[in-house]
Amino acid sequence: QKEVEQNSGPLSVPEGAIASLNCTYSDRGSQSFFWYRQYSGKSPELIMSIYSNGDKEDGRFTAQLNKASQYVSLLIRDSQPSDSATYLCAVKGTGRRALTFGSGTRLQVQP
Amino acid sequence: GAGVSQSPRYKVAKRGQDVALRCDPISGHVSLFWYQQALGQGPEFLTYFQNEAQLDKSGLPSDRFFAERPEGSVSTLKIQRTQQEDSAVYLCASESQETQYFGPGTRLLVL
Repeated sequence: QKEVEQNSGPLSVPEGAIASLNCTYSDRGSQSFFWYRQYSGKSPELIMSIYSNGDKEDGRFTAQLNKASQYVSLLIRDSQPSDSATYLCAVKGTGRRALTFGSGTRLQVQP
Repeated sequence: GAGVSQSPRYKVAKRGQDVALRCDPISGHVSLFWYQQALGQGPEFLTYFQNEAQLDKSGLPSDRFFAERPEGSVSTLKIQRTQQEDSAVYLCASESQETQYFGPGTRLLVL
């Protein structure tokens, strides 16, 4: 079992729809969770961080964390073609400073 | 302000050559990380520095990989006797307040 798992996609949604990206992790003691966006040929760019159970909203983005289920998700409202990218879920495991990444979900927003 | 910079951006090496990859972190960032990203995968941790101290090198794949940060600022990742499996993007990140900011990466191709 990989430490951080994501569906590789592609996830295809029409413009204006809600995109839902999901991630599960295996280290129950993890405390810090991050979503990065990575355009093809570019480096990862932080979108959201979340540390507590529940929802955290920032503009069109909402991160959701459920530590009991070891599940973190990212919702993108009013999806735009410019949101088409790979979304990486990253977790800081127990006592670790480094990030453990999932393999990413490729999102395609259709105009 | 300036972000994380890396050089060279692209490097082609013949198998068996040594290469050196440079990272300039964001000014004032104490923590610096190196990651390796293979095509279609998420970044994988290589090593971590706090100032000049290398606190975690558990991700280095072999003793051909060596990293240093002698003055606690610029870091160099050196790969000796490169192999084809070393072909990847090498990402450097510096950290502030739990958040890691990535440089543009060095794309290494070993022929």
